[in-house]
Amino acid sequence: QQPVQSPQAVILREGEDAVINCSSSKALYSVHWYRQKHGEAPIFLMILLKGGEQKGHDKISASFNEKKQQSSLYLTASQLSYSGTYFCGTEMDQGSARQLTFGSGTQLTVLP
Amino acid sequence: EAGVAQSPRYKIIEKRQSVAFWCNPISGHATLYWYQQILGQGPKLLIQFQNNGVVDDSQLPKDRFSAERLKGVDSTLKIQPAKLEDSAVYLCASSLLFDSQETQYFGPGTRLLVL
Repeated sequence: QQPVQSPQAVILREGEDAVINCSSSKALYSVHWYRQKHGEAPIFLMILLKGGEQKGHDKISASFNEKKQQSSLYLTASQLSYSGTYFCGTEMDQGSARQLTFGSGTQLTVLP
Repeated sequence: EAGVAQSPRYKIIEKRQSVAFWCNPISGHATLYWYQQILGQGPKLLIQFQNNGVVDDSQLPKDRFSAERLKGVDSTLKIQPAKLEDSAVYLCASSLLFDSQETQYFGPGTRLLVL
C-alpha cells in the first residue's frame, strides 16, 4: 500500500519553514525519509519507529503519529541545499520482510 | 567507506533487446535491494536479497526480469526482452542487517531508455 505524500510540490524562500506529510491507510512499523536531487541517489535523512520519539538533526526533524499513521518532516529556516524531492518509505506493521514502500515524493524548491 | 556502486550509469536500447545492470553493495552489507524508479515517482521495490538468498521477488516481472546475487556480494539485474515501459532508473541499495532500523544506502542508479 503506497503512502500518500502531501503537498506534491512546495516553493519556499531561503529561511522559510516547510512541512511534508506522509500518510498510510495501514498500520506502520517504521517511516524512513530520503531526499533526492535530480539525477542523484536518494540520501537517507532519518528513520522513525513505531513508539519512538520525534527525531531531528540540524534544522530537519520528523515525527510519527501512530493514531493517524502519519509522519511529518519539518524543515526549519530552509537553505538552498534543501532543494530536492523528499520521499517517505514506509514499512508495514506486519510480516518480516523489512521492505519499504515509497510515496510519490514532494518536490521542494528553495529560492534565494 | 565506499558507497554502493552501479554500472553502467546510462543505457539506451531498442525494445526486445536485452540489458544487464550490475551492483556492488557496501562491503559487509548483507541485504541488497533492486528498485525501479519511473520518472516522477518514488522507487518501487523489485527484489530483495539477504546474502545470496531471495527474500522477496513478488513485484519482479519474472517473465522478463531476472536477478541474482552470487556469493552474497555483487548482484546483476537483467531484462530480456525489454519493453518501452521499462524505461526508468534502476536503483540498487544495500543495508548492513535485515532490520527495520537499518538504513538503506542507495547507489547512483542506471538510467535506462528503451526506444
